[in-house]
Amino acid sequence: DAEITQSPRHKITETGRQVTLACHQTWNHNNMFWYRQDLGHGLRLIHYSYGVHDTNKGEVSDGYSVSRSNTEDLPLTLESAASSQTSVYFCASRDRYTGELFFGEGSRLTVL
Amino acid sequence: GQQVMQIPQYQHVQEGEDFTTYCNSSTTLSNIQWYKQRPGGHPVFLIQLVKSGEVKKQKRLTFQFGEAKKNSSLHITATQTTDVGTYFCAVPNTGANSKLTFGKGITLSVRP
Repeated sequence: DAEITQSPRHKITETGRQVTLACHQTWNHNNMFWYRQDLGHGLRLIHYSYGVHDTNKGEVSDGYSVSRSNTEDLPLTLESAASSQTSVYFCASRDRYTGELFFGEGSRLTVL
Repeated sequence: GQQVMQIPQYQHVQEGEDFTTYCNSSTTLSNIQWYKQRPGGHPVFLIQLVKSGEVKKQKRLTFQFGEAKKNSSLHITATQTTDVGTYFCAVPNTGANSKLTFGKGITLSVRP
């Protein structure tokens, strides 16, 4: 079965370190997204991609970057982690025919 | 960008009671989606509504799209403990149909 996976599922890091969260989907979806989820804020869009070599900023993109070198993967990089980036991060891909978003299991990041 | 309101953020009901929540937009929507996130889990797609006044049912869940396509409701008949979780509505951004903006969600708890 097709799926979307995130790794690591849990990570603790220190302020200033670079962190990369991986996202891999096997549906061959062109559209992929990164959201962060914080209490009281719901799901906020960080970055998104409509296809290979395409990346776009979402509403909370400062301090984050993504790259899309193939259809399957959209890694999210925190260049210099800050405590404000402690959050749960969800990757998602979208079925172009139904519009449905498929979410990964999430990555819980703690920045100390 | 597109905004959508879901209030309140929390609701507590007795098992067996009915529950209704709403999602409101200030602008006309092309479609609206609903997702459910169980505690500790990831958002899962429930339904998409497209037509004005559309009503769709999934067992005890009834979804409706307003006539003006500016609001939507989710009604749960005779809630069960399995209904516990956070329910999000999501709407496409104006001019960028593949990017979704999520409401803050309503977290439902059910007293057995």
